[in-house]
Amino acid sequence: DAGVIQSPRHEVTEMGQEVTLRCKPISGHNSLFWYRQTMMRGLELLIYFNNNVPIDDSGMPEDRFSAKMPNASFSTLKIQPSEPRDSAVYFCASSYSSGANVLTFGAGSRLTVL
Amino acid sequence: GNSVTQMEGPVTLSEEAFLTINCTYTATGYPSLFWYVQYPGEGLQLLLKATKADDKGSNKGFEATYRKETTSFHLEKGSVQVSDSAVYFCALNGGLGSARQLTFGSGTQLTVLP
Repeated sequence: DAGVIQSPRHEVTEMGQEVTLRCKPISGHNSLFWYRQTMMRGLELLIYFNNNVPIDDSGMPEDRFSAKMPNASFSTLKIQPSEPRDSAVYFCASSYSSGANVLTFGAGSRLTVL
Repeated sequence: GNSVTQMEGPVTLSEEAFLTINCTYTATGYPSLFWYVQYPGEGLQLLLKATKADDKGSNKGFEATYRKETTSFHLEKGSVQVSDSAVYFCALNGGLGSARQLTFGSGTQLTVLP
């Protein structure tokens, strides 16, 4: 398996633009997580899905953020409009929700909002 | 709710030195405990895990023992290498009434000098 695949790896955009980050989880995994990592706040869980259904989105910072999982092999995280404080590395992770629930992370998408 | 407290970094060691990174947790019930490692420019990777009290997780020369009496899961390695330079995250999931997402510590930056 190729692991969790995220795109783009790097994105530079201007304030006010829409940003869409994409994630392909590991085949067979039924839980998917979006995290954000910054120096100031560390690793924050934004939202997670189980069997394509959003279970907990309490970490989504505000209405400008939205996430979807239309099928078991694809998820998006959208920011509209983007702001400089959204600059961070965004990680997608997936797991099979059984037992110890070990997460496999993607390589991350580094977002810079100017 | 669940929480994880990690030793603050950064930690700088010489090659072949002994490493300890402290981790304590707060959780109800019986959580599973993890150490993840993040190498520069990459996503987090599972380093080791333990699912019940007194279990010892080990991998790549690293070890950690699940101590319920002290609510700790300290990471140790007897002889570090330059290639161990990374950020190390302690995490837990599960426990009574919790959801399936991981709770992470703030991370500890380790630098090993030749």
